Amino acid sequence: GQQLNQSPQSMFIQEGEDVSMNCTSSSIFNTWLWYKQDPGEGPVLLIALYKAGELTSNGRLTAQFGITRKDSFLNISASIPSDVGIYFCAGQLDGNQFYFGTGTSLTVIP
Amino acid sequence: DVKVTQSSRYLVKRTGEKVFLECVQDMDHENMFWYRQDPGLGLRLIYFSYDVKMKEKGDIPEGYSVSREKKERFSLILESASTNQTSMYLCASSFKRESYEQYFGPGTRLTVT
Repeated sequence: GQQLNQSPQSMFIQEGEDVSMNCTSSSIFNTWLWYKQDPGEGPVLLIALYKAGELTSNGRLTAQFGITRKDSFLNISASIPSDVGIYFCAGQLDGNQFYFGTGTSLTVIP
Repeated sequence: DVKVTQSSRYLVKRTGEKVFLECVQDMDHENMFWYRQDPGLGLRLIYFSYDVKMKEKGDIPEGYSVSREKKERFSLILESASTNQTSMYLCASSFKRESYEQYFGPGTRLTVT
């Protein structure tokens, strides 16, 4: 299967700080998605990106589809305690199968 | 709201046992998926299904089988559980073949001793 590398693997930040994480692949993807998984729950879709260069926001979250189509970035501004969780990127080649990244675990210290 | 439910949140089984994990979705979605989630490896696709009685292998199907007799239900079967199948199992569904958004269940944490 495809390998999507996410970094950093984990982050510990103070409340109010901004957060950046990214996802890279050796393959070109047609769609990039970002999910968040709260503790004890399944992942929930945050943002979907459909074309190279696209920049999309959802509240304090902003994600970008990399120009090369091999990467994507997620930024969270002014973090709050409920941002805690694991963030996953997912990329789609052709068809309906998505490949998920390894996840970034975010801890926000009040 | 879309609801994807999984039969158990926690399950403990012995090596060699046959294990059934059940998943039900209530939104008439065509597609259903089974993933396993392991630390440092993210989510890996085991099997998926686009329709009743239809199944396709994902990236790690070995040691697993699936059954989809009804549109709303997708079962994952471990024929003979092994300790390396200890993991979090997540079921997901999506509306139709070309849909990008998957809705996930809460997961089943399976421990095989």
